[in-house]
Amino acid sequence: QTVVTQEPSLTVSPGGTVTLTCASSTGAVTSDSYPNWFQQKAGQPPRSLIYSTSKKRSWTPARFSGSLLGGKAALTLSGVQAEDEADYYCLLYFGGPWVFGGGTRLTVL
Amino acid sequence: EVQLVESGGGLVQPGGSLRLSCGASGFIFSSYSMTWVRQAPGKGLEWVSYISSSGTSEYYADSLKGRFTISRDNAKSSLYLQMNSLRAEDTALYYCARSVRLEPDYWGQGTLVTVSS
Repeated sequence: QTVVTQEPSLTVSPGGTVTLTCASSTGAVTSDSYPNWFQQKAGQPPRSLIYSTSKKRSWTPARFSGSLLGGKAALTLSGVQAEDEADYYCLLYFGGPWVFGGGTRLTVL
Repeated sequence: EVQLVESGGGLVQPGGSLRLSCGASGFIFSSYSMTWVRQAPGKGLEWVSYISSSGTSEYYADSLKGRFTISRDNAKSSLYLQMNSLRAEDTALYYCARSVRLEPDYWGQGTLVTVSS
């Protein structure tokens, strides 16, 4: 059973920078895993932010960026705003099934 | 405007069956693959199933063990999820999502499935 691991929670100050990571139990995350990142606010469906490691949706704010970092997928928020407080989920492809990470609750404080 | 509307959720007894639907509009449904994702109350997202645009390829989460079947009717712009042998742990909000080259972009609002006696 493949497990995808994210930080359970992170706190960042307004205007700051934070990096969320996404690791796979099968080894290093590569672009072949097509890392995706989703934002979910309370009571709302998830919203796609990043696909194929680093590509942004048309609605993704410029302060969000995706990358590969030290064998993990990473989502970096630069110039964090209060509205970025949410749960963030990564999604990795494993040659058929996909697997979500457990999610990171980002608090802006 | 892309719209996805799930329906068919409700209360079902353990061991029962339910068929979820997802109606699509605002895009050419037959050109896109589709995905089901669920979220148990207060929990994270769980990827459930994927179907290609033509319906010829399907993938399922290992944990489902053949109990769920995904299908689509391109003529009706609709996606389905047949769920059998339902268990309490299948209780969740079920989302459908449009997928571009396997990757989900637009999501519906979800339909709630509750498995309880």
